Amino acid sequence: AAGVIQSPRHLIKEKRETATLKCYPIPRHDTVYWYQQGPGQDPQFLISFYEKMQSDKGSIPDRFSAQQFSDYHSELNMSSLELGDSALYFCASSPLEGTGETQYFGPGTRLLVL
Amino acid sequence: QKEVEQNSGPLSVPEGAIASLNCTYSDRGSQSFFWYRQYSGKSPELIMSIYSNGDKEDGRFTAQLNKASQYVSLLIRDSQPSDSATYLCAVSQGAQKLVFGQGTRLTINP
Repeated sequence: AAGVIQSPRHLIKEKRETATLKCYPIPRHDTVYWYQQGPGQDPQFLISFYEKMQSDKGSIPDRFSAQQFSDYHSELNMSSLELGDSALYFCASSPLEGTGETQYFGPGTRLLVL
Repeated sequence: QKEVEQNSGPLSVPEGAIASLNCTYSDRGSQSFFWYRQYSGKSPELIMSIYSNGDKEDGRFTAQLNKASQYVSLLIRDSQPSDSATYLCAVSQGAQKLVFGQGTRLTINP
């Protein structure tokens, strides 16, 4: 079965640089979620999109922005990177918002900021 | 206090025994409850979902939900070394974002 695809899988950036993470949800899943997981921590919700509109916002820094495109893929744009942004970034997708449907996680992007 | 709390680990269980993982949540409006397994450096993998009070069984795994007590648990029967991982309890609120507990690291000893 098709799974959530994330790219790149690994990314190394310098402080103050920008990064773009991409997420391709499971086919026919219209809701995308982004989570950040720091070392030894649980995943923290950043932002979600349903039908290309932002549906919820969590602890996402103002330096970060995201959007969902017409083909339902999503991109997380991160600017002015800081050392503390080093983390695993997961994208998850689910088939329908608001019904308790399960979220399926992608393999993640490991971001290292030097 | 975290919105979702899990029993502190690490938890060590002999192979073939039952592993019991516990989770409590604070938001009584929570509707959906999930257990994810996460191997080090990998993404969370769904083990069980449960939406109504009672037990739900899937193979060696049983999830239990008690909304009155705001308590969710996961039992793993006949534990295998491959079950060694961090188990994350997650609760769904509002627009379906997941709120995770801090995770319980489980080690199955051969």
